[in-house]
Amino acid sequence: DTGVSQDPRHKITKRGQNVTFRCDPISEHNRLYWYRQTLGQGPEFLTYFQNEAQLEKSRLLSDRFSAERPKGSFSTLEIQRTEQGDSAMYLCASSLATARAETQYFGPGTRLLVL
Amino acid sequence: AQSVTQLDSHVSVSEGTPVLLRCNYSSSYSPSLFWYVQHPNKGLQLLLKYTSAATLVKGINGFEAEFKKSETSFHLTKPSAHMSDAAEYFCVVSDWGTGKLIFGQGTTLQVKP
Repeated sequence: DTGVSQDPRHKITKRGQNVTFRCDPISEHNRLYWYRQTLGQGPEFLTYFQNEAQLEKSRLLSDRFSAERPKGSFSTLEIQRTEQGDSAMYLCASSLATARAETQYFGPGTRLLVL
Repeated sequence: AQSVTQLDSHVSVSEGTPVLLRCNYSSSYSPSLFWYVQHPNKGLQLLLKYTSAATLVKGINGFEAEFKKSETSFHLTKPSAHMSDAAEYFCVVSDWGTGKLIFGQGTTLQVKP
């Protein structure tokens, strides 16, 4: 068990370009979450998967954002036509869903800078 | 809707003195509450969690938190601060159905030598 990993750790892109981030959760975890953290703020929920099903999306997730989790394993988060306001840290977390208060384990994050 | 409010954006203590980071919560049902820590350029790490088993929760690195329903509070304490405790601390409540986490704004803990 090597924990949650994210790739890349850093991404610099120009406005209007598309970017894709990957998250590899802890292997036995069935839930996977994406959060976004801007400077000086706490992370905010974007979306989550239970196995391969995407069950909820935040209103923060505009139609330029799409996430997938094929076969319930790794997940990708794609941002199309990036804007400067997309600059943030994108965090992935995974957990094993239980009756109450599952613990989410976070990856190191992908820091995105849109120029 | 659930929420948490961290009452201090910045706390400064001297090494060896007690730490108190304050958090109030709002929830329409019995909440699950967490404290996470984020060191610079590192991922979020769980310090402790409350799930109604006991009101005083012990976590890693000597941290504790007490759930007080009457005060809707979940303050984080440590008897003696260490330099390595300097970091950003987040009070968090989870949504019962989805498990998604709702974070407070964070408290920056500075530890002076």
